[in-house]
Amino acid sequence: EVQLVESGGGLVQPGGSLRLSCAASGFTFSSYWMSWVRQAPGKGLEWVANIKQDGSEKYYVDSVKGRFTISRDNAKNSLYLQMNSLRAEDTAVYYCARERIAVTGAQNYFDSWGQGTLVTVSS
Amino acid sequence: SYELTQPPSVSVSPGQTARITCSGDALPKKYAYWYQQKSGQAPVLVIYEDRKGPSGIPERFSGSSSGTMATLTISGAQVEDEADYYCYSTDSSGNHRVFGGGTKLTVL
Repeated sequence: EVQLVESGGGLVQPGGSLRLSCAASGFTFSSYWMSWVRQAPGKGLEWVANIKQDGSEKYYVDSVKGRFTISRDNAKNSLYLQMNSLRAEDTAVYYCARERIAVTGAQNYFDSWGQGTLVTVSS
Repeated sequence: SYELTQPPSVSVSPGQTARITCSGDALPKKYAYWYQQKSGQAPVLVIYEDRKGPSGIPERFSGSSSGTMATLTISGAQVEDEADYYCYSTDSSGNHRVFGGGTKLTVL
């Protein structure tokens, strides 16, 4: 059974930093693209960042470029999100999600999600 | 930036058919996916590649796509289907990952 367990969330002041972790099990972690998706309180889902199987490619939504860094450790079956220069608008539940490739090979989607970890940016 | 548009809310009575739409310019070329999110829970994939149902998802959930619009249909909606539903797809390049704004389904 695929399991994704996020940790590292909490309360942080504006301008501060936080590192999120996602522990994966039940599948061959090194074979999949992985993503972070967030959801602000009472709002919809927003893709944040993703990383290729070997870490050689990383992509970010414009609003976090230069502030957030996604990384992974395949030996530890773990995904990370380093968040710096945090803003109030980064307050959200952050989900770790596994990506699958569509049958056409031209599109990825999310087939498994963790339960999320809450990040609150407030003074 | 690429956008997917959903109605904010849909309401049906138990046993009726619920239809939730999602419009986007790239949908003629890209698949649509649908996620169900119940209150306080993580999203769950209910339809992938326009019309395929993952194992474990009830058969009353189905999907279709025509032109720039994708549709999630719940035939014989049940009270336990009350949730927020999000469509997901990518822009024509496949690189820009986008969710629709979400539709709150009420079954009562």
